[in-house]
Amino acid sequence: AQSVAQPEDQVNVAEGNPLTVKCTYSVSGNPYLFWYVQYPNRGLQFLLKYITGDNLVKGSYGFEAEFNKSQTSFHLKKPSALVSDSALYFCAAGKSTFGDGTTLTVKP
Amino acid sequence: SQTIHQWPATLVQPVGSPLSLECTVEGTSNPNLYWYRQAAGRGLQLLFYSVGIGQISSEVPQNLSASRPQDRQFILSSKKLLLSDSGFYLCACYTLNTEAFFGQGTRLTVV
Repeated sequence: AQSVAQPEDQVNVAEGNPLTVKCTYSVSGNPYLFWYVQYPNRGLQFLLKYITGDNLVKGSYGFEAEFNKSQTSFHLKKPSALVSDSALYFCAAGKSTFGDGTTLTVKP
Repeated sequence: SQTIHQWPATLVQPVGSPLSLECTVEGTSNPNLYWYRQAAGRGLQLLFYSVGIGQISSEVPQNLSASRPQDRQFILSSKKLLLSDSGFYLCACYTLNTEAFFGQGTRLTVV
């Protein structure tokens, strides 16, 4: 069975600092991996995906993610965090397997 | 691009009452549509998906059902709600590129 783990419930960073939100996965075959962002009482918004190709994937709002097959990880990164990046972030494998989410708080 | 409409945004229903949540899609035809439930602002659980009119696949046995009466309409229903049906329900449409568009969600509270 597929699974996705987001080991941190909460990530706190200062504005302007780099951020990383971690995700590890367990899937059979080639993984289709996604990152979504959710603001309070709203639906999820697609950020980026990895299907195949370059291990570094660039997405919306300056986010990027690095696919690491040997470590089965797909960490979300941004070089310089903004206060407006504060939200709940989900990693997903395919359409049916989501992590439990990581709350990112960026402090001014 | 696709737009997903869900209503109502919030709903409070007594235990044992029926439920009908509607999701409609604009901007595409023959969409693959999905219903998810999100508990307590955390991970999503896939409930149902549909690849076409009248075609429903259920991922988890439960008190809920789904129907696809029209190409761009996906309905989540229950005959008798349970307290455990409370949650945030999200409808999503996936493109051929596997990118997902989500509706704004319905927060259901069963009392």
